Amino acid sequence: DTGVSQDPRHKITKRGQNVTFRCDPISEHNRLYWYRQTLGQGPEFLTYFQNEAQLEKSRLLSDRFSAERPKGSFSTLEIQRTEQGDSAMYLCASSPTPGQPNEKLFFGSGTQLSVL
Amino acid sequence: DAKTTQPTSMDCAEGRAANLPCNHSTISGNEYVYWYRQIHSQGPQYIIHGLKNNETNEMASLIITEDRKSSTLILPHATLRDTAVYYCIVKGNTGFQKLVFGTGTRLLVSP
Repeated sequence: DTGVSQDPRHKITKRGQNVTFRCDPISEHNRLYWYRQTLGQGPEFLTYFQNEAQLEKSRLLSDRFSAERPKGSFSTLEIQRTEQGDSAMYLCASSPTPGQPNEKLFFGSGTQLSVL
Repeated sequence: DAKTTQPTSMDCAEGRAANLPCNHSTISGNEYVYWYRQIHSQGPQYIIHGLKNNETNEMASLIITEDRKSSTLILPHATLRDTAVYYCIVKGNTGFQKLVFGTGTRLLVSP
């Protein structure tokens, strides 16, 4: 399968614990995005990378959240001191054509986080 | 904030055409109309996009009104697998423009 891969698919954690999610984009896609989705809502933008550079972050990304893409390939999203409000689906997407008007995003299946 | 308005839900019989409307009355000249869909437990999937001309691909057709203030996504022969949430999004083409999703239209295709 050559699509966007996310790991794990599901994560259950206790409030206050740290969690880390991984995203492997489609090979050679230089843009990578993180979105968050809660039940009944559309995905909300969190951040995006152009290669290894994090170029934009949403105000939704509090100090407890950090994302990295160290070599411009896979990316990790870490949430420290999780809260129940962090429970959501975390989606990763990648795109091959930066700066083009017909940019298409390819999404992974997401990581479902449940904070107890 | 999302710049589009869509009905919350729609029903369609299998084999019939599904016509999903979208209002984007504040669209500006350099903004494209994109459609994505999200099947349960999956990430969103790109369907089609357009600027002002009608577009067709293997998945769907996109009809944009002449004033560009609204559009319709057409699934010509809906199948049960087309049951999903459909998102209409407008996005500019200058600099970085993120996709801003609204709540979409939940399409239920029934036998």
